[in-house]
Amino acid sequence: SQQGEEDPQALSIQEGENATMNCSYKTSINNLQWYRQNSGRGLVHLILIRSNEREKHSGRLRVTLDTSKKSSSLLITASRAADTASYFCATDPNTGTASKLTFGTGTRLQVTL
Amino acid sequence: DGGITQSPKYLFRKEGQNVTLSCEQNLNHDAMYWYRQDPGQGLRLIYYSQIVNDFQKGDIAEGYSVSREKKESFPLTVTSAQKNPTAFYLCASSMQTGNTGELFFGEGSRLTVL
Repeated sequence: SQQGEEDPQALSIQEGENATMNCSYKTSINNLQWYRQNSGRGLVHLILIRSNEREKHSGRLRVTLDTSKKSSSLLITASRAADTASYFCATDPNTGTASKLTFGTGTRLQVTL
Repeated sequence: DGGITQSPKYLFRKEGQNVTLSCEQNLNHDAMYWYRQDPGQGLRLIYYSQIVNDFQKGDIAEGYSVSREKKESFPLTVTSAQKNPTAFYLCASSMQTGNTGELFFGEGSRLTVL
C-alpha cells in the first residue's frame, strides 16, 4: 500500500529558483527518506530524517518533518538543470516489527535553463 | 567499487514464459528487496529478504518468486502466472534489518512482454 503521497505531481521551474516538494503520510513512522530518480535509472538516496528530528540539511537540500501533521517537505535551493528528476519520499512505518520502506508516487521536477 | 548490479537491463518475454532477473550486491548488506515500478507510479514491494534462506512477501508477491541462497544474491523470477508483468523492476539492499536505513538501488531491469 502507498504510504506517502507527494505534492505536486509535477513541477517546472527555471534554473536558480528554489523547488519545494511535499509528502504526506498516514501512519506513525520511524523515519522518512527522500530519493531521486533520473529517467530510466535506479533511485538514489538523498536524505533521511528521523521521527524525533524536525529539520535536516545536506548541501542544497533542506528537509523538514512535522509528525503532528504527518507531513514532510523537501526544498532544493538554487536549482540546476541536473536536478531534473523524479523525487520520492519513503516512510519506514513504526509497526514494532521488522519494517520496510513504502514509497509515494513521486514529484517530477523539470529545471529549465 | 561496491554496489548493486542488476541484469539484464532490458528483457523481452513471450506470454507464458518464466524469466529470472538477477540482482547481486557486494556491499555485505543483510537485507535485499525487489520493487516494481509502473509508468508514473511509485515503487511497490514484491519480496524482501532480511537474511540468507529467508524471505517475505511484499504487497504484490502474486506471480513472482525469489530465492536467497547467498547473501550477495537475490534473484527474482517473474512467472507466467503474473498477469501484467511489463514493468521496471528495481532491486535494493540495506545494511539494517530492523528500523530501515538507507536503501541502495541497482539500475533496474525493464521487462516487456510481447
